[in-house]
Amino acid sequence: LAKTTQPISMDSYEGQEVNITCSHNNIATNDYITWYQQFPSQGPRFIIQGYKTKVTNEVASLFIPADRKSSTLSLPRVSLSDTAVYYCLVGEGNTNAGKSTFGDGTTLTVKP
Amino acid sequence: GAVVSQHPSWVICKSGTSVKIECRSLDFQATTMFWYRQFPKQSLMLMATSNEGSKATYEQGVEKDKFLINHASLTLSTLTVTSAHPEDSSFYICSAAGATEAFFGQGTRLTVV
Repeated sequence: LAKTTQPISMDSYEGQEVNITCSHNNIATNDYITWYQQFPSQGPRFIIQGYKTKVTNEVASLFIPADRKSSTLSLPRVSLSDTAVYYCLVGEGNTNAGKSTFGDGTTLTVKP
Repeated sequence: GAVVSQHPSWVICKSGTSVKIECRSLDFQATTMFWYRQFPKQSLMLMATSNEGSKATYEQGVEKDKFLINHASLTLSTLTVTSAHPEDSSFYICSAAGATEAFFGQGTRLTVV
């Protein structure tokens, strides 16, 4: 399973766009990239998943360069409620996050 | 999205007793479920993989006789912490593999006193 590296923490202000980058230099051909959000004392919640290029859903965008050795989660116009820990996971298919190694995650703090 | 429910959300037990935590996939069948443990301000650590109808696969360092896992149906996996001790106090989280992603339960806070 590919190891991931993320910044330990980030600060932002309400209304700003936040970009969190994850490095996964050893990503395998069959690996997908998935991002999860976790609030204190809750289970992780799926945000977005991608394989290459760009993926967008109603809450975020995921940018993956051609070499797939990194990925960037983009959160548009964050609010205070986006304060959480964000995890980048790399693994195969639908068991991606089920049996993936969770890194340290990025603690995002959104300030008013 | 799919829903995975854990029960109970929190539990306090006396040292030496056993505690059972249930993980249910409410709207899909999950042949594979996973159990994690998370200590305060730390990341999730995979404990074991639970497969319906077969024995669980434990990660290195996890005592299979202490953390009993049963996956008797396609919608239910249980984790029993046997002879719990204060050092077993933690946040336990399950996940179930869906068609394209894994879904996590809300977690169970176990406190052993």
